[in-house]
Formats: sequence, C-alpha cells, structure tokens
Amino acid sequence: QKEVEQDPGPLSVPEGAIVSLNCTYSNSAFQYFMWYRQYSRKGPELLMYTYSSGNKEDGRFTAQVDKSSKYISLFIRDSQPSDSATYLCGGSNYKLTFGKGTLLTVNP
Amino acid sequence: KAGVTQTPRYLIKTRGQQVTLSCSPISGHRSVSWYQQTPGQGLQFLFEYFSETQRNKGNFPGRFSGRQFSNSRSEMNVSTLELGDSALYLCASSLAQGPVGDEQYFGPGTRLTVT
Repeated sequence: QKEVEQDPGPLSVPEGAIVSLNCTYSNSAFQYFMWYRQYSRKGPELLMYTYSSGNKEDGRFTAQVDKSSKYISLFIRDSQPSDSATYLCGGSNYKLTFGKGTLLTVNP
Repeated sequence: KAGVTQTPRYLIKTRGQQVTLSCSPISGHRSVSWYQQTPGQGLQFLFEYFSETQRNKGNFPGRFSGRQFSNSRSEMNVSTLELGDSALYLCASSLAQGPVGDEQYFGPGTRLTVT
C-alpha cells in the first residue's frame, strides 16, 4: 500500500465550480501535511501547509486534515481556468511523501 | 529574491553513461532535497542535504548520489544510467533542515531522457 493515495483524475469542472481534491494516507507518523500545485513543465508550488487536524483557509483555498481517518482534502472555491494544474498532496515525518497527483482542468 | 535554479533544464544521455545535475537553492536556504518525478511513480524523495551532510535518504539504489557545497549549492549524480532513470529531477530548498516543519520551494527541474 502506498503511503499516500490520491485519485489521479483527470477532473474537469466548469469555471466557478467548487473543487474537492482528496487523499488518504497510511503513515501514522506524518506530522505535517501539504498541498502543492504543479503547472505543466514547472516545478511544484507550495499552496497550503498544515500540522494539525482541522481546516486552514487561504483565499479561495481550504485545506482539511482529519487525522482520525487519515484523510486530507483541498477545496477550491470559485475555480478559475488558471487553477488548471496537477495538485499534489503530501505528508511528512522526516521526509516528504507525495501522492501521484490529480490533474484538474477548469473550463471557461 | 531569485528562486531555486536547476541546470541543465534538459538532458539526453545513453544507457550506461553517468550524469550530474546541479541545483542552486534560494539565497539563505541551507537545506536541499532532491526528488524524482515519473508518470508511473509520481514524486519520490531521493535525499536531503543540510550543511554539506546527507541527513535523509529515500529508497533508491546507490547509483544515485549527491553532495552539497559550503555555499549550499548541490549536485546529484546518477551513474550507469538505465532507461528507467528517465524522469524529471526536482530540487527543493528550505531554510532549515527539512522537510519536517519547514516549507520547501521547488526548482523547475531537469528533464533527463535516457536512450
């Protein structure tokens, strides 16, 4: 079993939709959780970073961690075409472990 | 402030050769981590250097090695290249020893193709 599982998609939504991206993890030692966004032919860009269960909000983005069920989510409100990218979830104890990424397309 | 830079951006090598990739972290960052990204396996941790010492290592064979210099710049070397080594190699830097408790910033990557 992979330490971090993520539905690869692809996911296609209309502009303005609420997007929900989800991951599960198996490593109970993970202390920190993060979401990265990766545009085509670019390196991953840190979006959200959290170390506890609960919600963290930053603009249109909300990260949610549920340690009891080992579930990580990212919500994007009012999605824009510029949000079209691959989204990577990750967990960390002494090293970062990523899911394989979900490819999101937001259609104008 | 300049971001993480990686050179070269693209590289084509033949099976059996060796290759060296270079990474310059963000100014002031002391930790450099290397990752391999492939469509099949996703983004996988290779190793992390802090103050010229390897602190953490992923599950890759010994053909993959690295080092860090006193100015925090890092190089990664792959010897006896195999076709399966074709991937995007990403470098990430952070202020302190990471990635636990610290944010990592990625470079654009080096696209290695092994023929």
